[in-house]
Amino acid sequence: NAGVTQTPKFRILKIGQSMTLQCAQDMNHNYMYWYRQDPGMGLKLIYYSVGAGITDKGEVPNGYNVSRSTTEDFPLRLELAAPSQTSVYFCASSYSWTSGAPLQETQYFGPGTRLLVL
Amino acid sequence: AQSVAQPEDQVNVAEGNPLTVKCTYSVSGNPYLFWYVQYPNRGLQFLLKYITGDNLVKGSYGFEAEFNKSQTSFHLKKPSALVSDSALYFCAVRDRGSNDYKLSFGAGTTVTVRA
Repeated sequence: NAGVTQTPKFRILKIGQSMTLQCAQDMNHNYMYWYRQDPGMGLKLIYYSVGAGITDKGEVPNGYNVSRSTTEDFPLRLELAAPSQTSVYFCASSYSWTSGAPLQETQYFGPGTRLLVL
Repeated sequence: AQSVAQPEDQVNVAEGNPLTVKCTYSVSGNPYLFWYVQYPNRGLQFLLKYITGDNLVKGSYGFEAEFNKSQTSFHLKKPSALVSDSALYFCAVRDRGSNDYKLSFGAGTTVTVRA
């Protein structure tokens, strides 16, 4: 298994540009997450999904959008890039067979995408 | 509301000495607690978790953590540190009674183990 994969590894965007960060997992996990990591701030949840076709906002969703058309893929869309979105983005997945308690289960993280908005 | 604090930005120890990384948490009810490690330019890797049961939890790479409800702490420990343990460590918490799926992370503690 490749686990959780993310592309690209690094990207420079100009202010106002758009891009999609790709995330895929091959572990048949039902839950997927997007986090951003800023220095000294830990990880903040952007969006999450509990299954194909179902997504919901996390702590810091403004400026981002997601979709979950398949179990495997969970892309994150930045529509109008701003310098405040300069960060490292991590995708994660987990599996829970007990409804309502996904975070009992271990989250598996991708290697991250480093984004610089200038 | 739930939160976690890692009071030390950095921990420096000599190889072979005990390593402790501190974590305290705040939840309304009972917690799920996690430790993750991040090596340079890598994603987070799971170390261990406390869900219920025995307060002493053993995890990967010789790490363990003790859940202390009265002190609301979940400190990570390793009896004898290795240079390869140098990394960024995150504590995370979720309120067991919460209906959302938010896992709250601490700001992280950088561990440096010198040879």
